[in-house]
Amino acid sequence: DTGVSQNPRHKITKRGQNVTFRCDPISEHNRLYWYRQTLGQGPEFLTYFQNEAQLEKSRLLSDRFSAERPKGSFSTLEIQRTEQGDSAMYLCASSPGQKNTEAFFGQGTRLTVV
Amino acid sequence: TQLLEQSPQFLSIQEGENLTVYCNSSSVFSSLQWYRQEPGEGPVLLVTVVTGGEVKKLKRLTFQFGDARKDSSLHITAAQPGDTGLYLCAGASTYGGATNKLIFGTGTLLAVQP
Repeated sequence: DTGVSQNPRHKITKRGQNVTFRCDPISEHNRLYWYRQTLGQGPEFLTYFQNEAQLEKSRLLSDRFSAERPKGSFSTLEIQRTEQGDSAMYLCASSPGQKNTEAFFGQGTRLTVV
Repeated sequence: TQLLEQSPQFLSIQEGENLTVYCNSSSVFSSLQWYRQEPGEGPVLLVTVVTGGEVKKLKRLTFQFGDARKDSSLHITAAQPGDTGLYLCAGASTYGGATNKLIFGTGTLLAVQP
């Protein structure tokens, strides 16, 4: 088991373009989280899945953001029509299950919108 | 809305000094975790506390969960430059037998000068 893997590590895109990030969680983990983090701040919750079901999406998240977890395995986070304010570190984490919330994080994807 | 406020936000100390970081909320959590994050990396789990009043020690780090399970503290004795990083608390609540999403505190950026 190699832990949580995120790709790409870095992404630079022009404003208005669409981007997609991928997260491969620890294989036996049921929960998968997406967070957004800016420098020196705590991770901000975006959305999370229990297996393939998306249980909650942050109300702060615009309709330009969408996430999927087909078959309860890997997950993708897509941002459409990117804006400069979307520039941040996007973190993925997985945890074992409903009663064990200990989260294991990937190294994140650093998005820069120019 | 559940919020976890950490204090102080920034802390710069000399090697060998002691420090305490606080994590406070008006909400009750079924468990609370502490993470440490280094630049360009995802957060790494340090400890989980579950029982009100619980105290856990990890070498020079002492973690305490408040009696009402609404707050927590992290105390570092004789800080070392290797302790430098962003310290994050995170909590999850339980509702109807199911555990809700994991939310993070605002973060405490610690710099230990040699």
